[in-house]
Amino acid sequence: KAGVTQTPRYLIKTRGQQVTLSCSPISGHRSVSWYQQTPGQGLQFLFEYFSETQRNKGNFPGRFSGRQFSNSRSEMNVSTLELGDSALYLCASRDGGGQETQYFGPGTRLLVL
Amino acid sequence: AQTVTQSQPEMSVQEAETVTLSCTYDTSENNYYLFWYKQPPSRQMILVIRQEAYKQQNATENRFSVNFQKAAKSFSLKISDSQLGDTAMYFCAFMKHGSSNTGKLIFGQGTTLQVKP
Repeated sequence: KAGVTQTPRYLIKTRGQQVTLSCSPISGHRSVSWYQQTPGQGLQFLFEYFSETQRNKGNFPGRFSGRQFSNSRSEMNVSTLELGDSALYLCASRDGGGQETQYFGPGTRLLVL
Repeated sequence: AQTVTQSQPEMSVQEAETVTLSCTYDTSENNYYLFWYKQPPSRQMILVIRQEAYKQQNATENRFSVNFQKAAKSFSLKISDSQLGDTAMYFCAFMKHGSSNTGKLIFGQGTTLQVKP
């Protein structure tokens, strides 16, 4: 099976703009979780989607949002970008049916100028 | 709230030697999963090993094994016969089990492991 894919891999934006990141899970996986990784804060959970429903959300402002489509692909959106949003954004998928291991994509490196 | 602590920010080991990475966690849950993930400089996060809390037997995967001490809330990773390709940042992670599992991994701060030739 193909692994988790994320697009784009790199992105440069300016403050105030918005950005959309995409994640395609492993075929058959219904759950997608998103994480933000920064040198200062480490890996922090953003949210999880399962069967098109957000089931859990981390402690991030409302500027961070996401959605999941019927084919389990997921997008996350960050509006009104701030310098502090510069990070590696990782998504991870799992089948959600008892197999709890999350498999990660390569990440999207976002730089906000 | 659950927390995961990795007290060794950096470690180094000679090729072919054995190294142990430490991880402690805090939770009031009885059923949960623990994981070790590896993130090489290329940034792809890779699962190394996982442990279900209800299993007393320590998990092993080839050269990787864990020492799971549930009462002490300790979950260390032992890497035997270290190889240059083991150079990476290693993350310990916790996840709740069952109906309370909502896809949230809680990570430690990471340990950077350098394998020296």
